[in-house]
Amino acid sequence: DSGVTQTPKHLITATGQRVTLRCSPRSGDLSVYWYQQSLDQGLQFLIQYYNGEERAKGNILERFSAQQFPDLHSELNLSSLELGDSALYFCASSVEGYSNQPQHFGDGTRLSIL
Amino acid sequence: QQQVKQSPQSLIVQKGGISIINCAYENTAFDYFPWYQQFPGKGPALLIAIRPDVSEKKEGRFTISFNKSAKQFSLHIMDSQPGDSATYFCAASTASKLTFGTGTRLQVTL
Repeated sequence: DSGVTQTPKHLITATGQRVTLRCSPRSGDLSVYWYQQSLDQGLQFLIQYYNGEERAKGNILERFSAQQFPDLHSELNLSSLELGDSALYFCASSVEGYSNQPQHFGDGTRLSIL
Repeated sequence: QQQVKQSPQSLIVQKGGISIINCAYENTAFDYFPWYQQFPGKGPALLIAIRPDVSEKKEGRFTISFNKSAKQFSLHIMDSQPGDSATYFCAASTASKLTFGTGTRLQVTL
């Protein structure tokens, strides 16, 4: 058990809808990362937050947004969903968010768009 | 742009054998190289990691070999066991962003 908690585990919705994925980092970790895993794109970094502030951005679509709250949990919001957004979404956390610190992953949310 | 190339895509090894997975990178700004193990239905789990100022790191049956000049690194799993059957990802980090390889599906047979 990595200590990173993601909810829900599975989400099924339709095109055009909006969903929110939730992540609670490991106790003591200040930085949260979001990744997308799909068959065609592999594991891709989306965005990083550190202590409530956005720190780094990757291949995140404009339809997607995230935030980290004062209690350090994070939410990833996906809107105007398309079939291609079907994927596994992982959250990871690390102590301070520096490059050479280990990132620990949750078990993900599987998003299926019908 | 694929910045971390991983091979092979799949690997079958007999129990007790050595599993070897290779990765190559292009970006010399990468400063941290972790390996992750992923089982079906689970998130990637950190296995072992190395910094570029070290040429080898060993933890139990798992060893990373790192060649900075060749921009290559590899994972060796000694005495491979059926419980090691999983997908393995190499990764490289810069500015706290992890760039992953495409994964190697390892099957350890009896």
